[in-house]
Amino acid sequence: QVQLQESGPGLVKPSQTLSLTCTVSGGSIVSSSYFYTWVRQPAGKGLEWIGRVYTSGSTDYNPSLKSRVTISVDTSKNQFFLRLSSVTAVDTAVYYCARVLHRAFDLWGQGTVVTVSS
Amino acid sequence: QSVLTQPPSVSGAPGQRVTISCIGSSSNIGAGYDVHWYQQFPGTAPKLLIYGNTNRPSGVPDRFSGSKSATSASLVISGLQPEDEADYHCHSYDTLSGYVFGTGTMVSVL
Repeated sequence: QVQLQESGPGLVKPSQTLSLTCTVSGGSIVSSSYFYTWVRQPAGKGLEWIGRVYTSGSTDYNPSLKSRVTISVDTSKNQFFLRLSSVTAVDTAVYYCARVLHRAFDLWGQGTVVTVSS
Repeated sequence: QSVLTQPPSVSGAPGQRVTISCIGSSSNIGAGYDVHWYQQFPGTAPKLLIYGNTNRPSGVPDRFSGSKSATSASLVISGLQPEDEADYHCHSYDTLSGYVFGTGTMVSVL
């Protein structure tokens, strides 16, 4: 069965760039039905949508993060990526990747904790 | 800053019916976008519970049901079970903000 798994550094220094990878296993990332997204959740708080990517490479971002976010995809590796620049402590959160079907996030990765600290 | 408003917590005794509201606006739920619900246990990822306002994915017990009306939506747990103690999040699309989530509701079983 299809699974998603986030990976990347757990600690990022302020002002640097956070980079995460989501690997899709158990099936091809390429599909006319699905696209993919990133969501984050600060400790004790709610979920925040970061952005989405189609397997064509087309993207959309949360307007509040748009100036700092880049999401991309590598279909040959069955992976998609998140880059968030100029991070500060408020970017400390659990970051999730997820698959999207008809605007519902139907499959999630387990999440990865990213802490922004010097 | 969440666009969709949920009560911070609801509680009930085993077997009782509890309802979680999700209040939006004319730019999201009121614009006709579907509402989805997720269940999240501490330290784990959210899990899709209801999609397209009323539909349950395979494996979700039928005591969970969803509805949508005007600019709001509701999740009902009929016959609350101890294993239902978790956080619940509503989710929709907003014409101004993209995908938006609710503030989240903690369900406690007394």
